Amino acid sequence: DAGVIQSPRHEVTEMGQEVTLRCKPISGHDYLFWYRQTMMRGLELLIYFNNNVPIDDSGMPEDRFSAKMPNASFSTLKIQPSEPRDSAVYFCASSLGAQLTFGSGTRLTVV
Amino acid sequence: DQQVKQNSPSLSVQEGRISILNCDYTNSMFDYFLWYKKYPAEGPTFLISISSIKDKNEDGRFTVFLNKSAKHLSLHIVPSQPGDSAVYFCAASADTGANSKLTFGKGITLSVRP
Repeated sequence: DAGVIQSPRHEVTEMGQEVTLRCKPISGHDYLFWYRQTMMRGLELLIYFNNNVPIDDSGMPEDRFSAKMPNASFSTLKIQPSEPRDSAVYFCASSLGAQLTFGSGTRLTVV
Repeated sequence: DQQVKQNSPSLSVQEGRISILNCDYTNSMFDYFLWYKKYPAEGPTFLISISSIKDKNEDGRFTVFLNKSAKHLSLHIVPSQPGDSAVYFCAASADTGANSKLTFGKGITLSVRP
């Protein structure tokens, strides 16, 4: 298995632009998580899905953030409009049990 | 409010010595604890875990200790190797079942000097 695949690896965008981050979880995993890593707050859970259904989005910082999981093999995290304070590394992770497997992350820079 | 706290941002140890990474938690509902290791430009990878019914779990050079009364856990690495240099995240879950929603600490950067 190729593991959790995220794209793009790096994204630089201008403030106000829409950003879409993509994730392909490990086949057979029924949970999918989106985390954000910053120096100040460490790894924060933004939202997670079970069997493609959003279960808890209480970590999504603002309405500018949205996430979808249209099928078991694909999820997106969208920021619209983006702001400089959204700059961070965004991780997608999937699991079948108690251990998460993370992707390599997308480093987002909003200028 | 940080429910999982890693108060020391960094640790530097000599190769061959013991590394002790500490973690405190505030939520008494947490019953499953994990350590993840992260290299630069990579995602965190699972290292070792412990259930609240145990106070120690060992895997090779890595041992995790849990003190429930103090809400404290620690990761011991013996002997430390330069390849252990990474960021270590402590994580906790309030459900050891299928729901693996984890709360992470901010991480500790470990540097092992040759």
